[in-house]
Amino acid sequence: EAGVVQSPRYKIIEKKQPVAFWCNPISGHNTLYWYLQNLGQGPELLIRYENEEAVDDSQLPKDRFSAERLKGVDSTLKIQPAELGDSAVYLCASSDRGETEAFFGQGTRLTVV
Amino acid sequence: AQSVTQLGSHVSVSEGALVLLRCNYSSSVPPYLFWYVQYPNQGLQLLLKYTSAATLVKGINGFEAEFKKSETSFHLTKPSAHMSDAAEYFCAVMSRDDKIIFGKGTRLHILP
Repeated sequence: EAGVVQSPRYKIIEKKQPVAFWCNPISGHNTLYWYLQNLGQGPELLIRYENEEAVDDSQLPKDRFSAERLKGVDSTLKIQPAELGDSAVYLCASSDRGETEAFFGQGTRLTVV
Repeated sequence: AQSVTQLGSHVSVSEGALVLLRCNYSSSVPPYLFWYVQYPNQGLQLLLKYTSAATLVKGINGFEAEFKKSETSFHLTKPSAHMSDAAEYFCAVMSRDDKIIFGKGTRLHILP
């Protein structure tokens, strides 16, 4: 069974440019998470979806970040415009209803220059 | 609010020695607790989880953790360290509304 797939693995952009990350969760998983991981830190939740509904986006900086999960499967996370401080690893995870663990993708490492 | 504290951002042990990574949590309700491992440039991989069954939980790669409610701890141990254990380890707690909160991580170094 395929795990959580994220793309791209690495992205380098100039500040003020837009960027998007894509996540394909494990088939059948209804919960999807986007996490931000700064260097040397633990992951911090940005947004959590139950199917296509964002049930927790309290930590998402809505002035520049947006996310969507059309049809409750794949998800995209967008930053527009990117700032130097957005350089980090963006992790996607998914879990199944009733399960107590989340499965993580390999992440997208964003570098803003 | 729930939180996780990992004591020691870096831990060094000799190959073959005991590994002990400390984690304390705060939660107003019985939590689900996890340990994840992260190798360089990789995502997080689940080592083990506690879900209110047995308090001593065995995971992959010889790791285990013991849930101690009186101490609000969930320390990770391995009897004998191997070079391949060098990685970043994260303790996490999941609330009843499925929100997962991570500690800041502990980088484990294995000395030859």
